[in-house]
Amino acid sequence: GAVVSQHPSWVICKSGTSVKIECRSLDFQATTMFWYRQFPKQSLMLMATSNEGSKATYEQGVEKDKFLINHASLTLSTLTVTSAHPEDSSFYICSAPSGRTDTQYFGPGTRLTVL
Amino acid sequence: GENVEQHPSTLSVQEGDSAVIKCTYSDSASNYFPWYKQELGKRPQLIIDIRSNVGEKKDQRIAVTLNKTAKHFSLHITETQPEDSAVYFCAASRGNFGNEKLTFGTGTRLTIIP
Repeated sequence: GAVVSQHPSWVICKSGTSVKIECRSLDFQATTMFWYRQFPKQSLMLMATSNEGSKATYEQGVEKDKFLINHASLTLSTLTVTSAHPEDSSFYICSAPSGRTDTQYFGPGTRLTVL
Repeated sequence: GENVEQHPSTLSVQEGDSAVIKCTYSDSASNYFPWYKQELGKRPQLIIDIRSNVGEKKDQRIAVTLNKTAKHFSLHITETQPEDSAVYFCAASRGNFGNEKLTFGTGTRLTIIP
């Protein structure tokens, strides 16, 4: 199946700092990628849809100025959590659809801890 | 927007028995229904999916059924094994090609008792 990677796998940062998370499709191109957030023992909640060459589409209640998304190429989308606070601590997962198999593939996730 | 409900939230099954997890959805335009298995700290792994033009799909011990009229779909695992223990999520999407956003159910923690 298609491979999606994320970097870093985990990060610890101080409150008020910014953190960038990368999502890459390794063996296919993705004009669209999705960013999800998962709190402990909860489901995956879609934060935004990343579109190559255009602005991201954010879900209701997600602050676009706090969670900056850039889809710079057909294989890379980045999520920057700006001015992070402890309540932003979560598991962030990206996914990308592969046209070859008509399904979505998830990255391994990034665990963010804000102190 | 789409709302997906999933039941039960926890399920304990004796090894070798069957497990059934049920989901309902609200958006009649949804036509793609994947099921994911997630182990602690890991990414969700697609285990089976079904599209709206099919009522049932089977892959070895795993099967999914879809009732579009009732907006209901279910995951069936037969001959359960300890390695089936995990959290299972259903999801729904309007996209036929996996290129639309997924709305996830709340998850079912499945425990297989040896």
